[in-house]
Amino acid sequence: SYVLTQPPSVSVAPGQTAKITCGGNNIEIYTVHWLQQKPGQAPVLVMHYDSDRPSGIPKRFSGSNSGNTATLTISRVGAGDEADYYCQVWDSSDHHVVFGGGTKLTVL
Amino acid sequence: QVQLVESGGGVVQPGRSLRLSCAAYGFNFSNYAMHWVRQAPGKGLEWVAGVWYDGINIYYVDSVKGRFTISRDNSKNTLYLQMSSLRAEDTGVYYCARDPSRSSAHFDNWGQGTLVTVSS
Repeated sequence: SYVLTQPPSVSVAPGQTAKITCGGNNIEIYTVHWLQQKPGQAPVLVMHYDSDRPSGIPKRFSGSNSGNTATLTISRVGAGDEADYYCQVWDSSDHHVVFGGGTKLTVL
Repeated sequence: QVQLVESGGGVVQPGRSLRLSCAAYGFNFSNYAMHWVRQAPGKGLEWVAGVWYDGINIYYVDSVKGRFTISRDNSKNTLYLQMSSLRAEDTGVYYCARDPSRSSAHFDNWGQGTLVTVSS
């Protein structure tokens, strides 16, 4: 089954840019989606179809997908961006949804 | 607006059964695939099962195949998860989630979750 690998944690200073990676074998042939989950809350979709922002998500959020790595980039990071971030794909070969293990974003 | 409301969680002994429900509001339920996603305490997200808009295409994670059954009643705008032979490792918050895609399953709206605890 397909595996997505995320770093457990990323730290960034306020106002800087955070890059959260999601690794997978030839992930560029998959469509990657990203979720944000704050403590005690349900996840929220922050990026779909690799680089398309859902309605209501700030332009500070962007996404890319190339080779073996998909990346969620958050510019001008603030305290409100502290959360766990999960990448996700649909593996059509075995009809499974696959999540990455999640990355905890800490704003220093 | 879109709202998903789960119910049916609770404490259950290993080997017993439980049925979760997810009531949908604010959108045409029959047009969307729906999924259950769970999260063990302190852990990441795990997809459990999905049912396509027509109720015909149904898929499960391997660890629940043969024990869990996902279903939907489009006349009642409700999604279900029948869980049997429950194990301690099934403990967690169970979310229902709406899937807007016909080609790349993902989740644009989530319920608040319902906690299932499997313990003797």
